[in-house]
Amino acid sequence: IVLTQSPGTLSLSPGERATLSCRASQSISAGYLAWHQQRPGQAPRLLIYGASIRATGIPDRFSGSGSGTDFTLTISRLEPEDFAVYYCQYYRSSPYSFGQGTKLEIK
Amino acid sequence: EVQLVESGGGLVKPGGSLRLSCAASGFTFSSYSMNWVRQAPGKGLEWVSSISSSSSYIYYADSVKGRFTISRDNAKNSLYLQMNSLRAEDTAVYYCARGMATDYWGQGTLVTVSS
Repeated sequence: IVLTQSPGTLSLSPGERATLSCRASQSISAGYLAWHQQRPGQAPRLLIYGASIRATGIPDRFSGSGSGTDFTLTISRLEPEDFAVYYCQYYRSSPYSFGQGTKLEIK
Repeated sequence: EVQLVESGGGLVKPGGSLRLSCAASGFTFSSYSMNWVRQAPGKGLEWVSSISSSSSYIYYADSVKGRFTISRDNAKNSLYLQMNSLRAEDTAVYYCARGMATDYWGQGTLVTVSS
């Protein structure tokens, strides 16, 4: 399974809505699609698993959706700390592939 | 509090070996599968290897198969990655991460392969 994320870079302002896409090379089970956030100089952290379930402590401005081959991470109102790189991941079976990442930068 | 602390990284020459460790605490280690994920400088995340809770199932990325060996010691709450025949392209920060969805990550340990 190859995961392709778009766009590569997204330039937005605080308070705006962000929509990040993850497309799989073939239909996958939504139950095994995750989103991770990585801030500069930090380890990744899990945001969403099972395509739409927020991980512990994740604010409700983050939401995930999708099925089949197309999945979306939405950040409803960007906060300054949300500007980071986001990765989708499929973890049902080996290899547990990651997308190449979307960099969310301040406009 | 879940904690994962990697160690063992460093500078090694091409063809050399290194053993990474990950010390886990704050959860029942023996109940979770574990993973190694790496990140080359300025690049994205690359899954390296996974091991099931009882070591019954082990998987590797094609890029490391035959060179790296993952293992765990549930009595010591520890995860390991034995890396042999290291190449320049193995240079990366190596993270250990818990569970299939990698819900907790360590801070990583840097491995540099260079002559």
